Amino acid sequence: SQKIEQNSEALNIQEGKTATLTCNYTNYSPAYLQWYRQDPGRGPVFLLLIRENEKEKRKERLKVTFDTTLKQSLFHITASQPADSATYLCALGMNTGFQKLVFGTGTRLLVSP
Amino acid sequence: GAVVSQHPSRVICKSGTSVKIECRSLDFQATTMFWYRQFPKKSLMLMATSNEGSKATYEQGVEKDKFLINHASLTLSTLTVTSAHPEDSSFYICSAQGGMNTEAFFGQGTRLTVV
Repeated sequence: SQKIEQNSEALNIQEGKTATLTCNYTNYSPAYLQWYRQDPGRGPVFLLLIRENEKEKRKERLKVTFDTTLKQSLFHITASQPADSATYLCALGMNTGFQKLVFGTGTRLLVSP
Repeated sequence: GAVVSQHPSRVICKSGTSVKIECRSLDFQATTMFWYRQFPKKSLMLMATSNEGSKATYEQGVEKDKFLINHASLTLSTLTVTSAHPEDSSFYICSAQGGMNTEAFFGQGTRLTVV
């Protein structure tokens, strides 16, 4: 069966450390993968997109890797801040003609001062 | 990034009434918009894909007669929850994409409560 797995338990880290979140998928062949941030009661906010032929993408303190052999993406936040506390969602993009996204369940990140 | 505006952000309605939710792409043309539903502490569940000028494509298990979707222009899609029941209470979110293999931008979501 098709699955997208993100750690359902909250990730607690201290301010200044690097947070690493994982996204594993099974029985999908995504053309691209996206990471979103979602705060309670709000819609997701786009962070990064990485395509199947890309290994790594960076944006400021954020870094995403995409390993299509392992079927895994890692999302890193360096020098984390309490303001980074949120739920982070990964989403697989398929070339279905409709650019359909399939979301993981998200991982809650808590950065303590 | 691009802006997608969703309205209303919160709505409370009585059982049996209908509620319309609007989703607008403010600074780009979205040939395709998506409607999601999200339950507490759960991920987004795709309900339907909306293409401008054509009928929406619904995901399996989603009642098309209950969740009416209209995509009248390149910047506006609407979701109407008809004959709402308490079990329809949820967080509804729309998204829009400007092109193939591009990022999706989301509206701020609509919290629907049916009493």
